[in-house]
Amino acid sequence: DVKVTQSSRYLVKRTGEKVFLECVQDMDHENMFWYRQDPGLGLRLIYFSYDVKMKEKGDIPEGYSVSREKKERFSLILESASTNQTSMYLCASSPRRDGELFFGEGSRLTVL
Amino acid sequence: LAKTTQPISMDSYEGQEVNITCSHNNIATNDYITWYQQFPSQGPRFIIQGYKTKVTNEVASLFIPADRKSSTLSLPRVSLSDTAVYYCLVGDRRRGNTPLVFGKGTRLSVIA
Repeated sequence: DVKVTQSSRYLVKRTGEKVFLECVQDMDHENMFWYRQDPGLGLRLIYFSYDVKMKEKGDIPEGYSVSREKKERFSLILESASTNQTSMYLCASSPRRDGELFFGEGSRLTVL
Repeated sequence: LAKTTQPISMDSYEGQEVNITCSHNNIATNDYITWYQQFPSQGPRFIIQGYKTKVTNEVASLFIPADRKSSTLSLPRVSLSDTAVYYCLVGDRRRGNTPLVFGKGTRLSVIA
């Protein structure tokens, strides 16, 4: 089975802190994605990556950056966390750009 | 990308068949239709995908009329454990550079 592991299920951070959300997949997928999910808004794409060291902006990249130094790991970075970044963050990987997405269990971030 | 429209919520009793319809009036010739299911506190998971007519797997059936402007996800004899949010996505296999967009989904509540 494909396993997408997100490092933390729950995080509480303070405004202005730098936050790292880590995601690791074990199926050698080239494609990885970060979404955030908020009540009433569904899933919105933040960033995605189709290869190591490659990144593309999604629909809502402002306030975020990403890092893909290794194929299996895709990190989401909040340089200076703000309260409006309180959300559920979901990482996904896929064997093809248009293939089935495999999601992690999510990281619920609260910024105080 | 084709825009999709789904009902915000649906209720059903256990044992009934549930049909969730998704409208995608501007679907393109090469677009295919994919459905995901999301349980509370989990990431979405792939249910079924189709291009035309009917597709069936162990979880659901997908009905796509000839004009492909809508599709219907059919869940036979639902149980309480089918309570989830269901997302309809439409995308082009060839245009693999752009990830599929999740809408707000349909929240299905199954009642005993």
